[in-house]
Amino acid sequence: KQEVTQIPAALSVPEGENLVLNCSFTDSAIYNLQWFRQDPGKGLTSLLLIQSSQREQTSGRLNASLDKSSGRSTLYIAASQPGDSATYLCAVRRGGGGNKLTFGTGTQLKVEL
Amino acid sequence: DAGITQSPRHKVTETGTPVTLRCHQTENHRYMYWYRQDPGHGLRLIHYSYGVKDTDKGEVSDGYSVSRSKTEDFLLTLESATSSQTSVYFCAISESLTSLENEQFFGPGTRLTVL
Repeated sequence: KQEVTQIPAALSVPEGENLVLNCSFTDSAIYNLQWFRQDPGKGLTSLLLIQSSQREQTSGRLNASLDKSSGRSTLYIAASQPGDSATYLCAVRRGGGGNKLTFGTGTQLKVEL
Repeated sequence: DAGITQSPRHKVTETGTPVTLRCHQTENHRYMYWYRQDPGHGLRLIHYSYGVKDTDKGEVSDGYSVSRSKTEDFLLTLESATSSQTSVYFCAISESLTSLENEQFFGPGTRLTVL
């Protein structure tokens, strides 16, 4: 059974700092990995999707990497801002049909002024 | 933002009553999903649909049923609600015919409380 772990569960950093969020998964036979952002009381916003054949994806100040063989992904946020404060979730798509995702429990990020 | 709406957004009900949650999309995406989100468990898949009248179970399907009679609507029914079904329910969609076929887009969620 695929298990997805995100460490740390919570993180507080000063504004302007570069930071890395971690995601690990137990079964390397994944199709892709997706990073989401969730604001309190809101739905999930897709940030980046990395196919299993890719090593990284970039969008603005965000960079996500994938090392499928070691079962790890990182989300790098450059020059953090208070508006980046949210919970960040990673999810892996298992093989087979249906595009079913297994989610981690998230890292709650707070960027302080 | 993907055109996904969920109704109702909040609901309080009593144990033993039936409850139906609705997900509506305007994107004409093929796949639709129902998840629940609980502290300490993250999001877990309840049921999903890969087309009109085509549905399958996820990892926590007991006590839930779904129906999809039109591409745009996916209904989640709790036949007899229990307190363990108190949760936030999210609907998601994805399309299978493009290079971004696997990206899932989420609705705003429905907060359900079963007393």
